[in-house]
Amino acid sequence: GAGVSQSPRYKVTKRGQDVALRCDPISGHVSLYWYRQALGQGPEFLTYFNYEAQQDKSGLPNDRFSAERPEGSISTLTIQRTEQRDSAMYRCASSSDTGELFFGEGSRLTVL
Amino acid sequence: DQQVKQNSPSLSVQEGRISILNCDYTNSMFDYFLWYKKYPAEGPTFLISISSIKDKNEDGRFTVFLNKSAKHLSLHIVPSQPGDSAVYFCAASAKRNTPLVFGKGTRLSVIA
Repeated sequence: GAGVSQSPRYKVTKRGQDVALRCDPISGHVSLYWYRQALGQGPEFLTYFNYEAQQDKSGLPNDRFSAERPEGSISTLTIQRTEQRDSAMYRCASSSDTGELFFGEGSRLTVL
Repeated sequence: DQQVKQNSPSLSVQEGRISILNCDYTNSMFDYFLWYKKYPAEGPTFLISISSIKDKNEDGRFTVFLNKSAKHLSLHIVPSQPGDSAVYFCAASAKRNTPLVFGKGTRLSVIA
């Protein structure tokens, strides 16, 4: 597509529910990144993929968080048993070989 | 511990004057640096980058300066325009196509 597309744009869920956030990167971009951004903070790295291979998941806060990119294109970030502290803007970005990240508009998650 | 620091949360500048945004980093392995601009309700967008082999990179009204010995970089915008009002994030990585580490951002307001 023309840009990085994320869905849903807004998600409100109850504590304990699982959520899945989707990212459709720019066509042809090899690398896909997930970041989380709290209010007044910069984006915080979670995990990234080259093609379908997860290269680094050191930023995932705990084992309730997981991500996949099975066919090397669309990626899903899943949060199981959500907690209020998971509320944040979740940003996906993709890149080619130039190193610049192109960000989507983000998915704002609110856990009640 | 923050590896990329933007110590000024906000900056106000008169239209037509120079805006200088500063960024410090602690990780001596960083060798690729970028600035991103973010408008409300949008994802961050890439502005300009510099690699450690250079000390200056210019693109129109935007110039980034890198002082490796001081672990400091700055973004100069001249002349500043009201449309430049946004949050500016400094980011760094150890090499291209590896996760970027972001600062907390500086909110620039350009006053007409």
